[in-house]
Formats: sequence, C-alpha cells, structure tokens
Amino acid sequence: AQSVTQLDSHVSVSEGTPVLLRCNYSSSYSPSLFWYVQHPNKGLQLLLKYTSAATLVKGINGFEAEFKKSETSFHLTKPSAHMSDAAEYFCVVSDRGSSNTGKLIFGQGTTLQVKP
Amino acid sequence: EAGVAQSPRYKIIEKRQSVAFWCNPISGHATLYWYQQILGQGPKLLIQFQNNGVVDDSQLPKDRFSAERLKGVDSTLKIQPAKLEDSAVYLCASSSPSGGGNYGYTFGSGTRLTVV
Repeated sequence: AQSVTQLDSHVSVSEGTPVLLRCNYSSSYSPSLFWYVQHPNKGLQLLLKYTSAATLVKGINGFEAEFKKSETSFHLTKPSAHMSDAAEYFCVVSDRGSSNTGKLIFGQGTTLQVKP
Repeated sequence: EAGVAQSPRYKIIEKRQSVAFWCNPISGHATLYWYQQILGQGPKLLIQFQNNGVVDDSQLPKDRFSAERLKGVDSTLKIQPAKLEDSAVYLCASSSPSGGGNYGYTFGSGTRLTVV
C-alpha cells in the first residue's frame, strides 16, 4: 500500500533563510508524488509533481523537490523563505502511479512558520 | 478552464440533523473524489467515482454517509444523522487521465461543516 510520512509537524524559519520540509514515501511501484500548499481558509494549491521524467522537480514560487528512490524521500526545498510562504504543506502520493485516476493519499501536513 | 465548484461554502447544523453538499467537477473529468479534512490533519478520501460508478468507498461511514453521481457529472454527499466528529472541511476533486492543468487533479474550495 502507498503511504507518505512527513517527518516534521512544524517547521520554523526566518525570512530569507532556506526551507526544508521532509517527506518519506512508501510505494509498491514507481510512484507519482506531489506537494500541495494550503493557506489558512484557502483551498489546496499544487506546488509540484514528480512524474518520473526528472528527479529534480521545479514548482511554483521558487519551490523544488528531489526524488530519491534509494532513500524513498521527496523533500521540498526553497532557497529563501518569504513571509507569504507561511502555510500548511502536504506531501501526497497517488495509489496508481501516473495514471491521474488513482486516489491521492495525503501526509499529516507540516506547518511552516516564517519569522520576520 | 472553470474549476471544481462546491456549495455551500459553509454550513452549521445541530447534531442528528442531515446535510448535503454538492460538487460540479471540471468538464470532461471522469473521476470524482470526496475528501474529508479534519482540522489539523491531511485530507482523507471518503469516496471515489469513475463516471457514475463507485471505485473506492472503503473509508466512507456508510451508516450515516452516502454519495451519488447519477449522470456521471455532478455529485452530492449526504450525512444523516450528523455527529459532532463530522465537523470538517469536505473537499471535492476531479481528475482526468489526459492530465492538463494541475497535472490532472483539481480541488474545489471545500465546504466547511460545523456540527454543534
């Protein structure tokens, strides 16, 4: 069965410093992996998706994630945090690979706090 | 393209009352999902439809929850009778194997249900 584990429930960084949100996955086959962001009282917004085309995936707003099969990880990074990045972040795996018809399985979420 | 439409945005009911949520997916998206997001947690799949057939309803509390997608387009999710623990945001999403915007998956803004 597919699953994701977000290793930190809360991450706090200062504005302008790097962001690292950690995610490990479990999948019985080549997975499709996503990162979503959810700002308070807003809907889910897709940041990026791993589709097996490239292990380093670039997303919106300067975020990127690296797929490491040997470590079963898909960590999200950003070189320099902005105040507007403060939100809840979800690592997600699809249970049907890249077919876009599988259910999405969400991690528990990581709250990113950005201090001035 | 138009997004996934959900209504109502907010609903407050007393326990043991009934409530219904409506979702209109992206035009042409055959797969439709209902997720429940309890405060502080990641969304959890309740039910997945492929056209008007149910693909996965293993986590739907069938003694009180029901859902239908009669013509393979829009869908309704009903709770009867509601319990306090049903307080959550109910998200609808749709997807298409052909991908497109959002890498195939699009979420609605959700319905926030409060049971008092």
